[in-house]
Amino acid sequence: GAGVSQSPSNKVTEKGKDVELRCDPISGHTALYWYRQRLGQGLEFLIYFQGNSAPDKSGLPSDRFSAERTGESVSTLTIQRTQQEDSAVYLCASSPYSGSLGNEQFFGPGTRLTVL
Amino acid sequence: AQSVAQPEDQVNVAEGNPLTVKCTYSVSGNPYLFWYVQYPNRGLQFLLKYITGDNLVKGSYGFEAEFNKSQTSFHLKKPSALVSDSALYFCAVRDGRGKLIFGQGTTLQVKP
Repeated sequence: GAGVSQSPSNKVTEKGKDVELRCDPISGHTALYWYRQRLGQGLEFLIYFQGNSAPDKSGLPSDRFSAERTGESVSTLTIQRTQQEDSAVYLCASSPYSGSLGNEQFFGPGTRLTVL
Repeated sequence: AQSVAQPEDQVNVAEGNPLTVKCTYSVSGNPYLFWYVQYPNRGLQFLLKYITGDNLVKGSYGFEAEFNKSQTSFHLKKPSALVSDSALYFCAVRDGRGKLIFGQGTTLQVKP
């Protein structure tokens, strides 16, 4: 079946502009995660959604970052007033109910964001 | 706080030789440990996980990992490396709310 998809695959923007990144999780997966991967570094957790529960926003680096999820489907990560340090690959992952911590996460191909 | 360490930035091995990519962890409670691989310009692919049970876990592409509670390690291994195994490998631990905490990654270079 279809995996996690993300769009756009690449985004180049100017400093100060807003950007929206989209994630379509695997159908039926109730948990959705956003991570950021800066060049040459590991992945940093940003935010996670589980069903109708309040999202865990503990990884968002500033109030310029926000995310929404419609039910158990599409999620959008928004970065306002982008800065050059926001340049990174933004990865989305989904998994079945996260109450079972043994479930692996399935990752999308990522969106490469470049802020000029 | 939970954390994962991958002490080697890069591991070099000749094709056909065994490989080991190291990972140590720090958690409170039972660890849920994962290995992922990332090929250039691709997302992460799941390799294997340890939840409970046998300390030797077998995964995709011939990889396996050994869970060692006393040494708090979860090293990734393969008996015979292939050039196509060259990629970036991440060890991760699941925290109590479900998110993954990743190590910094280890680049595996397999030379012909």
